[in-house]
Amino acid sequence: EAQVTQNPRYLITVTGKKLTVTCSQNMNHEYMSWYRQDPGLGLRQIYYSMNVEVTDKGDVPEGYKVSRKEKRNFPLILESPSPNQTSLYFCASSEGRQETQYFGPGTRLLVL
Amino acid sequence: AQSVTQPDIHITVSEGASLELRCNYSYGATPYLFWYVQSPGQGLQLLLKYFSGDTLVQGIKGFEAEFKRSQSSFNLRKPSVHWSDAAEYFCAVGAGFGNEKLTFGTGTRLTIIP
Repeated sequence: EAQVTQNPRYLITVTGKKLTVTCSQNMNHEYMSWYRQDPGLGLRQIYYSMNVEVTDKGDVPEGYKVSRKEKRNFPLILESPSPNQTSLYFCASSEGRQETQYFGPGTRLLVL
Repeated sequence: AQSVTQPDIHITVSEGASLELRCNYSYGATPYLFWYVQSPGQGLQLLLKYFSGDTLVQGIKGFEAEFKRSQSSFNLRKPSVHWSDAAEYFCAVGAGFGNEKLTFGTGTRLTIIP
């Protein structure tokens, strides 16, 4: 089954404790993105990747890092999480720029 | 920079009634426009997209949208809603050559009355 998976689905952590949210797709897609969703703000793009080792900033990249060492994986790294990074995070992938983007189920993060 | 405005935060319609969700965008070049739906507790699903060509775009689940350049709008329509259409709907504009750099609107929550 074609899908985008994210782990963990729920995470509670404390300020400053490094964490990684994994994203994996099994569709051999070139394009992958990370978004955060906050009430009243919709979705905002954090980072995107157009292929292995090719990444670029979205609208809200501060406090986040990404890497794309393999085509299927696009982890989101929070080196020193802060409470303002409490949010619902979505990973997405697409075969190309003009192809359908598929979203993962989301990761709900609470930073205390 | 591009932006998207969805002026209606919440809309309530009766089952079987017609629906129109508004979306206005701001972008200096030819826009790539999208409508996504998010059911409770789920990720987003693409309903339809406009890149070029016919300004009336057909999507999944009986939805359609019309691109009007003169009004900078891309409104979503459905002639007869079903209870299963209750969800949150997001309009988005792509700043690159498609969906690699998307800006989303704040969403419209749709409630269906039996």
